[in-house]
Amino acid sequence: EVQLVESGGGLVQPGGSLRLSCAASGFTFSSYDMHWVRQATGKGLEWVSAIGTAGDTYYPGSVKGRFTISRENAKNSLYLQMNSLRAGDTAVYYCARGRTPYGSGSLYFDYWGQGTLVTVSS
Amino acid sequence: DIQMTQSPSTLSASVGDRVTITCRASQSISSWLAWYQQKPGKAPKLLIYKASSLESGVPSRFSGSGSGTEFTLTISSLQPDDFATYYCQQSLGFGQGTKVEIK
Repeated sequence: EVQLVESGGGLVQPGGSLRLSCAASGFTFSSYDMHWVRQATGKGLEWVSAIGTAGDTYYPGSVKGRFTISRENAKNSLYLQMNSLRAGDTAVYYCARGRTPYGSGSLYFDYWGQGTLVTVSS
Repeated sequence: DIQMTQSPSTLSASVGDRVTITCRASQSISSWLAWYQQKPGKAPKLLIYKASSLESGVPSRFSGSGSGTEFTLTISSLQPDDFATYYCQQSLGFGQGTKVEIK
């Protein structure tokens, strides 16, 4: 059974840092692209970052230069280092497994973790 | 960037109703569209990928159609477990969501 379990969320002051982790099990972690997707309370889903099987990384402009995604295949783990946090980063952060069976345009997220809440507030 | 627009934002329906949600892309995306269901406090769940392919384990009352710029998610007979928010997704972008609530 595929499982993704996030941890590391919490309350942090503006300008602070936080590192999220996602423990994966039930599949060959190293063979899949992995993503972080966030959701502010009462709002929609926003893609935050991606890491490919070769370690290539991708970010939207809203977090580029502040967030760093990484993976440790030997530990079946995904990470998100978040620096210079802002109130607008407050959200539940989900890790998700990406699938692109027909090429990059066909991306979808077939498994999601339960999410971890990050609150940025003084 | 391709923008995804869902309609309606909220939909009131009764158990047994046929429900249709629309997602429009700002430019052609072929059939590269997925649909998710999300219940309060839970992670999104994949329902449909490649516009019309039903994810394993998803009830057959859910179906997807469309290509190019216009897509629909249809629930043929709404069940109590289906009251939730539904999102479309193309590549790294999501629609804003459609909340299906009890009429």
